[in-house]
Amino acid sequence: EVQLVESGGGLVQPGGSLRLSCAASGFTFSSYAMSWVRQAPGKGLEWVSVISGSAGSTYSADSVKGRFTISRDNSKNTLFLQMNSLRAEDTAVYYCARDDSRGWYLDSWGQGTLVTVSS
Amino acid sequence: DIQMTQSPSSLSASVGDRVTITCRPSHDISNFLAWYQQKPGKAPKLLIYAASTLQSGVPSRFSGSGSGTDFTLTISSLQPEDVATYYCQKYNSAPYTFGQGTKLEIK
Repeated sequence: EVQLVESGGGLVQPGGSLRLSCAASGFTFSSYAMSWVRQAPGKGLEWVSVISGSAGSTYSADSVKGRFTISRDNSKNTLFLQMNSLRAEDTAVYYCARDDSRGWYLDSWGQGTLVTVSS
Repeated sequence: DIQMTQSPSSLSASVGDRVTITCRPSHDISNFLAWYQQKPGKAPKLLIYAASTLQSGVPSRFSGSGSGTDFTLTISSLQPEDVATYYCQKYNSAPYTFGQGTKLEIK
């Protein structure tokens, strides 16, 4: 069974940094691209970033480019999102998700971790 | 970037009704479209990919159609457990943008 468990969320001041982690199990982690998707309170889904299985390719939304960095450690089956220069509008539940091997759609999701940016 | 427009934004229907949600990308995305269901307080769940392929385990009352710039998610006979917000997502190329969502309620 595919399991994705996010951690690292919390309260951070504007301009601060936070690193999210997503522990994966139940599948061959290195064979799959992985993504981060966020959802601000009461709002819709926003795609944030994706990384290929080998970590050779990454793409990010314009809203986070230059501030957030996606990475992975295939030896530890863990996905990361390093978030710097955080803003109030980055407040959201952050989900990690597995990209299906047949395309860049998301076939498994974690339960999410809440990031609150506030002074 | 390609914008994804869903309609309606919200919808109220009766149990047993046929329900249709539309997703319109601003440019042709071929069939690179997925649909997700998100129930309150839960993570999204993949329903359909490649515009019309039902994900394993998803009830057959859900179906998808369309290509290019016009896509549809249909629930053939609405059930109480279908109360949720539904999102489309393009995945032909990054950014893999979602639609704004359609909130479905029971009348």
